Amino acid sequence: GENVEQHPSTLSVQEGDSAVIKCTYSDSASNYFPWYKQELGKRPQLIIDIRSNVGEKKDQRIAVTLNKTAKHFSLHITETQPEDSAVYFCAASRANAGKSTFGDGTTLTVKP
Amino acid sequence: GAVVSQHPSWVICKSGTSVKIECRSLDFQATTMFWYRQFPKQSLMLMATSNEGSKATYEQGVEKDKFLINHASLTLSTLTVTSAHPEDSSFYICSARGVSSYNEQFFGPGTRLTVL
Repeated sequence: GENVEQHPSTLSVQEGDSAVIKCTYSDSASNYFPWYKQELGKRPQLIIDIRSNVGEKKDQRIAVTLNKTAKHFSLHITETQPEDSAVYFCAASRANAGKSTFGDGTTLTVKP
Repeated sequence: GAVVSQHPSWVICKSGTSVKIECRSLDFQATTMFWYRQFPKQSLMLMATSNEGSKATYEQGVEKDKFLINHASLTLSTLTVTSAHPEDSSFYICSARGVSSYNEQFFGPGTRLTVL
């Protein structure tokens, strides 16, 4: 089955700096890669996703890049703000094939 | 956007009793629903996948007789924790995927279960 590894497990940055979280996956047939943000005690919220037919996707301060050959994808957050502090999860799945496999999560702390 | 509700948001029960958790898709039809368990500061652990009208598919190590899942309609799935024990205390989250979703999952707000 699919195996997703996520690094780092914790990340602390200064407000205004950039944050990068990386994930690798094992199943070459995976073609859908979402990123979720989960605040303490709340549900995971989809913040951005990418499909395997594109290499990069951007939405304001958030971007995701995908390298299918190397089987890794990354989340980039620029101009970080304290409200970006949360746990971020990556995931990988085959489209319309059921379950997603989640990474272990990254706790991001943005210091004001 | 797609909204998923979960009820109850928290529950405290005595050891040996059963607890039912409901997951509803409010504005779309969910062909597939997923049930996760999350321990503090840990990732989402998939327990089972349920498709409307068919038996749930359980992940390895998850006792299907203990965690009963029913997906009787396109908007409702239930998880029943039978004969609950303190080690079953956890945060349970459901998610739902609609027919038109590429593979996007919409999560419920979660249920905090505490077994005394």
